[in-house]
Amino acid sequence: DARVTQTPRHKVTEMGQEVTMRCQPILGHNTVFWYRQTMMQGLELLAYFRNRAPLDDSGMPKDRFSAEMPDATLATLKIQPSEPRDSAVYFCASGLVLSNQDNYNEQFFGPGTRLTVL
Amino acid sequence: DAKTTQPPSMDCAEGRAANLPCNHSTISGNEYVYWYRQIHSQGPQYIIHGLKNNETNEMASLIITEDRKSSTLILPHATLRDTAVYYCIALRYAGNNRKLIWGLGTSLAVNP
Repeated sequence: DARVTQTPRHKVTEMGQEVTMRCQPILGHNTVFWYRQTMMQGLELLAYFRNRAPLDDSGMPKDRFSAEMPDATLATLKIQPSEPRDSAVYFCASGLVLSNQDNYNEQFFGPGTRLTVL
Repeated sequence: DAKTTQPPSMDCAEGRAANLPCNHSTISGNEYVYWYRQIHSQGPQYIIHGLKNNETNEMASLIITEDRKSSTLILPHATLRDTAVYYCIALRYAGNNRKLIWGLGTSLAVNP
């Protein structure tokens, strides 16, 4: 049963500390998305990769957030330094897009990382 | 990007059809309507999508009005496990860059 996995599932840290969240997309998928979810804002897209290249990170605060895909099996989202307002659930999702004309855009979500910054 | 509007909450009796409406009056011709749902504490799950024709799969049916300004997701026989937040989303289709623009969704409560 192919699933997106995320680690850690929960993270509590103090303001100013570095936080790294990891995601393993479903094998064979060529798109990866990072989302942040809060009660107030709902689901916000932070970054979007296709074939490991970043296509859109306009939703990500550039001064403290960074997203990378070191290889096809690993995506990382890093916050440095973390702030209390970063407390949220961070979801990773992956999908398969065959071509630019492909309108099928099912995204498979992981279980999320619940981040609390004190 | 088309904005979607959904009622914040709905109730449905178990075994009855749940009809979840969505307004997307600013949708453009090449924007698809996607539906996802999120069960408490889990990641969102894809349900169905469509452009202008009605669609049906094993989970639900999607009815899109002829002018494409609104749509309805139908769960034909709702169960308690269908209690979730349902998101109606417009997919911005622009070559390589495609974003799902998420709103706050409809919280559906299926009651016994």
